Amino acid sequence: DTAVSQTPKYLVTQMGNDKSIKCEQNLGHDTMYWYKQDSKKFLKIMFSYNNKELIINETVPNRFSPKSPDKAHLNLHINSLELGDSAVYFCASSPTYRADGGYTFGSGTRLTVV
Amino acid sequence: TQLLEQSPQFLSIQEGENLTVYCNSSSVFSSLQWYRQEPGEGPVLLVTVVTGGEVKKLKRLTFQFGDARKDSSLHITAAQPGDTGLYLCAGVANSGYALNFGKGTSLLVTP
Repeated sequence: DTAVSQTPKYLVTQMGNDKSIKCEQNLGHDTMYWYKQDSKKFLKIMFSYNNKELIINETVPNRFSPKSPDKAHLNLHINSLELGDSAVYFCASSPTYRADGGYTFGSGTRLTVV
Repeated sequence: TQLLEQSPQFLSIQEGENLTVYCNSSSVFSSLQWYRQEPGEGPVLLVTVVTGGEVKKLKRLTFQFGDARKDSSLHITAAQPGDTGLYLCAGVANSGYALNFGKGTSLLVTP
């Protein structure tokens, strides 16, 4: 059983489109995250939810909107996609909001905007 | 501002060699974590170090946390091709919650 699963694995879309990425964890963790990994492999935090509540909202364009229907799911919706949004997006979870316990990552969604 | 600086950025060695990767910061961290990421996959947690001066061993990998909790190192003994990957250090600054990642060290071990 996959602990943190993201769909889709690959997403190719045109500029201006709206797309969503889904994430689910079956670890019973309280906290979930979205990270963006750029072409130089740098991982940057975007959002974090703890028990369905937004606790971290980094400087991200408001075209990005996370949604957490329950603590096992964290989805990411992106409006009006731009070329610069091309990256690998990772979902992760941790037992509590204190990240000291370590993260479990999904396998990533490679988004390509053309 | 990059909280965690990793060096070297790239490392290409032959099987059997030893290597050390460094993770440095001017900030104090409550803990530091090391992850390994393989192509097409997410990072996988290797170890968490919590106490200043702590040393942890994971088979041929030795992790050390600096006394002042501002830096860490990863030493690999007798590297193998299976060690190839991107090594990332990450930490939670005392005032924050989410992990901040270094830019990573890309290791290639050739037979």
